Amino acid sequence: AQSVSQHNHHVILSEAASLELGCNYSYGGTVNLFWYVQYPGQHLQLLLKYFSGDPLVKGIKGFEAEFIKSKFSFNLRKPSVQWSDTAEYFCAVNAPGGGGNKLTFGTGTQLKVEL
Amino acid sequence: EAGVAQSPRYKIIEKRQSVAFWCNPISGHATLYWYQQILGQGPKLLIQFQNNGVVDDSQLPKDRFSAERLKGVDSTLKIQPAKLEDSAVYLCASSSQGGLGETQYFGPGTRLLVL
Repeated sequence: AQSVSQHNHHVILSEAASLELGCNYSYGGTVNLFWYVQYPGQHLQLLLKYFSGDPLVKGIKGFEAEFIKSKFSFNLRKPSVQWSDTAEYFCAVNAPGGGGNKLTFGTGTQLKVEL
Repeated sequence: EAGVAQSPRYKIIEKRQSVAFWCNPISGHATLYWYQQILGQGPKLLIQFQNNGVVDDSQLPKDRFSAERLKGVDSTLKIQPAKLEDSAVYLCASSSQGGLGETQYFGPGTRLLVL
């Protein structure tokens, strides 16, 4: 069964600081990888995803993530965070399992950006 | 385009009572998912429907949880009887065909508190 580990549970940054959130997964086959974000009071929404091809994926709001197959990692990055990036970030892996295509989430990283 | 709708948004019940949640997916989406998100954890898949058939219910506690999607559109998730540990946010999501790598679109969730 696949699993996802997010190493940082709480991150506090000042505006304009750089961000990197770690994500590692365990699954030996072909996977698709996602970062979802949940802004305060809003529902989960897709930030970016890796399906195939270029391992460097660019998403909305200046976020990007790099798929490194040899390290089973899909870390999320942003060069300069804004106060509006305060949210909870979830890494997820989509792989066959249980008869369907399971989306397995990590435990999430709560990011707080201070002015 | 309307998003995934869920109701109620909040529910407080006592243990051993029953409760039901409703979800209406994005129009035309064949695949519907129910997730349970316990505080401090990532969403966990409970059940996945493809049209009106179940493709994965391996993590659904079938002794107390049931779900249906009779006409292949909206869905209900029921808990009977509820336990304290069922306190969580119940998320509904939908995707176009349920294929690997497809984006899942989430509703606002139903926050359940069992006293």
